[in-house]
Formats: sequence, C-alpha cells, structure tokens
Amino acid sequence: AQSVTQLDSQVPVFEEAPVELRCNYSSSVSVYLFWYVQYPNQGLQLLLKYLSGSTLVKGINGFEAEFNKSQTSFHLRKPSVHISDTAEYFCAVSDRGGSARQLTFGSGTQLTVLP
Amino acid sequence: ETGVTQSPTHLIKTRGQQVTLRCSSQSGHNTVSWYQQALGQGPQFIFQYYREEENGRGNFPPRFSGLQFPNYSSELNVNALELDDSALYLCASSSTGTSEAFFGQGTRLTVV
Repeated sequence: AQSVTQLDSQVPVFEEAPVELRCNYSSSVSVYLFWYVQYPNQGLQLLLKYLSGSTLVKGINGFEAEFNKSQTSFHLRKPSVHISDTAEYFCAVSDRGGSARQLTFGSGTQLTVLP
Repeated sequence: ETGVTQSPTHLIKTRGQQVTLRCSSQSGHNTVSWYQQALGQGPQFIFQYYREEENGRGNFPPRFSGLQFPNYSSELNVNALELDDSALYLCASSSTGTSEAFFGQGTRLTVV
C-alpha cells in the first residue's frame, strides 16, 4: 500500500516569488511519482512525472521537481510564479509493478499567487 | 486526437436513487480508471477497467460498479445514493506500457 502526504494545505505567495510545494510518500515497493494541477471546476492536468533516471525533472509551465529517495520526497518548485499559477496541486504515486496507473493522491495544496 | 470526455458535467440526484456516469477514453487508450474527489480532498481510486474486465478496485462498496465497452468507453454506476456520494467523479484513460493517465473534466454529482 502507498500513501502520499502533502505537508501544506495552503501556500500563499506573491507574484514573481519562488515557491516550493512539499510532498512525501510512503511505499513498500518502487513507485512512479507525479504532480498534477487542477484549476477550478476542471479535471487534472499532468505537470510532470518521475519514472527513472535523473532525479530532477522538468515539467510544463516552468515547474520542476526533485526526487529524493532517501527522504521519500518529491517536492515541486517554481523559481517565479504568476497569477495564473493559482490552482490546486496534487502529488501522486503509482506502483511500478502494478497495472496501468492506479494513482494514490495526496490531499492537495492550494497555491494562491497574490499581486 | 480527442481527449477524455465525461458526461454529464453536472447532475443532482435524490438519496436512494441510482446514477450512471459516462466516459469516453482518449483515442488509442485501452484502460479506464474512475476516481471520486470529495470537496477539499484528493481523488480516491474507485476501480479500473482493462479489456472490459475490472482490473483493480479501491476501498469502495459494491454499490459502485462499472462497465467498459469494446470501444473502451466506460460507465460508472452508483446504486442507493447516499449524501456522502456527493463529489466530483473523474475518469482517466491510459494505455498499457505507458506511465501517464489523462483525466477528463469530471462529473459533479450532488445528492440531496
């Protein structure tokens, strides 16, 4: 079984400031890691994913995340946020050995970018 | 290439009724998963269908059931609706051998 903990439920930040959204996971098996974004009244859009290889992964909209196996973390970062980044962000894991993409999600972090 | 589409976008049902939600998967995808997202929470895995068979189920009671059709589209059925079933229901399609699931816009179900 897997679990995902998103340590901050809400993160307010001023426009053009850097931001980090924290994610820790627990699993007895190797996992794939994902970050999704959800805008109001919409579905989920994939920001980035870690499958293997380099622990620093880059995604869409200038976001990046770093996989840290020893700390079982996958924190999301952006060096300079925009008003349009205001949304709910979800960290998720899936079992590498399982069938396609049964995702376990965290409870989400609401990022609010202030002018 | 069309994306994942869900219907209806919103609906209101009365406690005890039954509901059917529909999902058309992305072209070329053979696997469909359903998730329930209660207000203020992350999505919870309900079940997954692959080649018209249930292929994994989360911690949901049997009154949540599904179907997958030969064209890979899918239905989620919920019987004996309860107030706590009020949520956004998300469908995601994927293909075996790939790592990414693509989500639809969701169906907002309100049970009164």
